[in-house]
Amino acid sequence: AQRVTQPEKLLSVFKGAPVELKCNYSYSGSPELFWYVQYSRQRLQLLLRHISRESIKGFTADLNKGETSFHLKKPFAQEEDSAMYYCALRAFDNYGQNFVFGPGTRLSVLP
Amino acid sequence: DAGVIQSPRHEVTEMGQEVTLRCKPISGHDYLFWYRQTMMRGLELLIYFNNNVPIDDSGMPEDRFSAKMPNASFSTLKIQPSEPRDSAVYFCASSPTGSPLHFGNGTRLTVT
Repeated sequence: AQRVTQPEKLLSVFKGAPVELKCNYSYSGSPELFWYVQYSRQRLQLLLRHISRESIKGFTADLNKGETSFHLKKPFAQEEDSAMYYCALRAFDNYGQNFVFGPGTRLSVLP
Repeated sequence: DAGVIQSPRHEVTEMGQEVTLRCKPISGHDYLFWYRQTMMRGLELLIYFNNNVPIDDSGMPEDRFSAKMPNASFSTLKIQPSEPRDSAVYFCASSPTGSPLHFGNGTRLTVT
């Protein structure tokens, strides 16, 4: 079965501190992982996808197939990074594609 | 491209009334998803369509919920009759095969 877990519901850090938002997945096929961000009362926006291997707003994420993880990292957190972060997995079955989301982690960056 | 368009942005209704939420996906996207977001349960997949055909509706809470996609540019999510526990933000999202999801701004539903 496809599943995405994010162990932390809430993560609080001080401005300038490093941030790591954890994400683990279970999927029997070849995984494609994403991070979405949701600022207060807004829509979910794509932050990163693992195949792009890019850095957006200072965030990076590396797919580790051995540990089945896709943790999101930023070396120096900013107050504007405070938001809800969702890890997502694209899974394929006989009918096409589906997206499985984790429960989300709320990041709070304190001044 | 205007993105995924949802209407209304806010809906306040009384218990027992019918509620219809609307979504216009991005042109050319062959997948459309309906999600519900609450503080308690997070983001829940309700149903998704591929080329206008419902593929998985196992997330639809009960028979009071129904969704349709009569053509590639329009989908509705209907709740009849509505109940206070249906209060949530409902998101529509679309994607082409092999690409990420694009979300709409959501409809905030309040049932009193």
